[in-house]
Amino acid sequence: AQSVTQLGSHVSVSEGALVLLRCNYSSSVPPYLFWYVQYPNQGLQLLLKYTSAATLVKGINGFEAEFKKSETSFHLTKPSAHMSDAAEYFCAVSANPGGYQKVTFGTGTKLQVIP
Amino acid sequence: GAVVSQHPSRVICKSGTSVKIECRSLDFQATTMFWYRQFPKQSLMLMATSNEGSKATYEQGVEKDKFLINHASLTLSTLTVTSAHPEDSSFYICSASGVVRGNTEAFFGQGTRLTVV
Repeated sequence: AQSVTQLGSHVSVSEGALVLLRCNYSSSVPPYLFWYVQYPNQGLQLLLKYTSAATLVKGINGFEAEFKKSETSFHLTKPSAHMSDAAEYFCAVSANPGGYQKVTFGTGTKLQVIP
Repeated sequence: GAVVSQHPSRVICKSGTSVKIECRSLDFQATTMFWYRQFPKQSLMLMATSNEGSKATYEQGVEKDKFLINHASLTLSTLTVTSAHPEDSSFYICSASGVVRGNTEAFFGQGTRLTVV
């Protein structure tokens, strides 16, 4: 069984400030973890994924996430928020690195960027 | 990355009618496609998984006679919402999985906003 918990359904940051979106996972097998971004009325775009190669994963748009097994966490960060980062972010876990089988999504965190 | 096209992006239909949503993989062969439903302010819930040429596997609680899924080719899957009712109004998203640049990965479509009036 697998699950993800995203802490905070809404996060607000000022433009230029650090972005931190939290995700904790639970998995009975070694997990593969993903972060997706969704803009209004659009599908999901993959930001980055952890596939056990490196614990610090760099993705698109300046985002990165660190896999911490001891904390069962995979938090998403960006050093400096941009207005275009305002969107909803989903953490997800899968039993395979391509995410091509059953993927379990978190409930999402809506990021607001304040000018 | 690979492209998955979902059509239409928005559809409004009358209660009792059927609506078909298409999901196409444009530059790779999708051996497996997934259909998700997203309620307002909620996460994505997997509805069903379909493999090309086989019957879809539905998640518990999803009515297979109401949500007809066809995956007749390696580039196209369709979801038909039959006899739609207002409670079927939702955002539907497909995901197509196949080998891209030597790795098996899944890519999402843009989603379809269905409104039943």
